[in-house]
Amino acid sequence: DQQVKQNSPSLSVQEGRISILNCDYTNSMFDYFLWYKKYPAEGPTFLISISSIKDKNEDGRFTVFLNKSAKHLSLHIVPSQPGDSAVYFCAASVVRRQLTFGSGTQLTVLP
Amino acid sequence: DGGITQSPKYLFRKEGQNVTLSCEQNLNHDAMYWYRQDPGQGLRLIYYSQIVNDFQKGDIAEGYSVSREKKESFPLTVTSAQKNPTAFYLCASTSLGLADHNEQFFGPGTRLTVL
Repeated sequence: DQQVKQNSPSLSVQEGRISILNCDYTNSMFDYFLWYKKYPAEGPTFLISISSIKDKNEDGRFTVFLNKSAKHLSLHIVPSQPGDSAVYFCAASVVRRQLTFGSGTQLTVLP
Repeated sequence: DGGITQSPKYLFRKEGQNVTLSCEQNLNHDAMYWYRQDPGQGLRLIYYSQIVNDFQKGDIAEGYSVSREKKESFPLTVTSAQKNPTAFYLCASTSLGLADHNEQFFGPGTRLTVL
């Protein structure tokens, strides 16, 4: 039973446009959400996070939105750059326990 | 500089052999984790440890074993009992301080191939 789902395995966008990556979760006890970026044959790197007491967190070109009633979060990248092409994982945790990861979305930014 | 190291980067094993993957961190992190990634899938938790000499099973612990004799080190042994060991293995660590969120920092990974 997947508690964290990324239903889009891939996404392609033009350079300079907005990339929107989506993530849904089923466990209402999750109180902290994270996004990681991963290049092939490398470990994931932390990108941005959000606590359940907030609905938005911004860091440069990256913004994460949390909709608790819909159990949905999204990552917006504006503007998208070719170097953003990678697999993006969302993850969630309950009271700072271990993370539960989604299956990932491959983002391709076309020049 | 601080970070997490995993060795080797590539590992080949014959069926029936045990193999140990190394993970070392110099971040003074309390907790360490082992994940497995298969193509098209997310990261699945194998084992984790929050304190020296203690560890817990994750979602897919069967066929694996770990030890945590030192805070800096968390080696993973893939035993011959693991039915499908070919995968990309990732080690991670995090601080458990009250002021810290639980962002996990990952090593570069080890790709294990069973021949």
